[in-house]
Amino acid sequence: QKEVEQDPGPLSVPEGAIVSLNCTYSNSAFQYFMWYRQYSRKGPELLMYTYSSGNKEDGRFTAQVDKSSKYISLFIRDSQPSDSATYLCAMSPYTGANSKLTFGKGITLSVRP
Amino acid sequence: DTGVSQNPRHKITKRGQNVTFRCDPISEHNRLYWYRQTLGQGPEFLTYFQNEAQLEKSRLLSDRFSAERPKGSFSTLEIQRTEQGDSAMYLCASRGPTDTQYFGPGTRLTVL
Repeated sequence: QKEVEQDPGPLSVPEGAIVSLNCTYSNSAFQYFMWYRQYSRKGPELLMYTYSSGNKEDGRFTAQVDKSSKYISLFIRDSQPSDSATYLCAMSPYTGANSKLTFGKGITLSVRP
Repeated sequence: DTGVSQNPRHKITKRGQNVTFRCDPISEHNRLYWYRQTLGQGPEFLTYFQNEAQLEKSRLLSDRFSAERPKGSFSTLEIQRTEQGDSAMYLCASRGPTDTQYFGPGTRLTVL
């Protein structure tokens, strides 16, 4: 079993839909949680990060962490065709030193106009 | 802040050849990471530098792989005697005083 599991895709939604992307993890040492967006043949771009359980909102994006269930989610409201990309969850132990990231395999989202 | 840059962006080579990639981190970021991403997978950690010191290497980094970061600035990743299984996107990320890693555009390696 991988340390980080991400819901398989691909996912196709109509423009304006609410999108829910989810990851589970098994390593209790993970304390720092991130969502990256990756367009085709590009490097990952950081969308959101959080240290604590609960919700964090940034515009149309909300990141949710439930450490007790080892479960994180990214919600996208009013999805746009420009949101079409691969979304990667990532996490690391907060050691202040080598916080190497462990990624999920990613889910490809397509938003239809 | 010009971001992380990587060169070349795409490298095609024949099996058995050596290749070298370069990463230029965000200036003054003292931490630098290399990851490898294969098709349909998330990036996997390869190695980590703090300044010029290579502090951690993944077991994915076989003895054909070597990474350096002379003077704690740019870094190079060399693959000797390339194999078809080395075909992947090689990503570099840098990190400053926060926990956020900023990724470069990657070098896509194709081994024929």
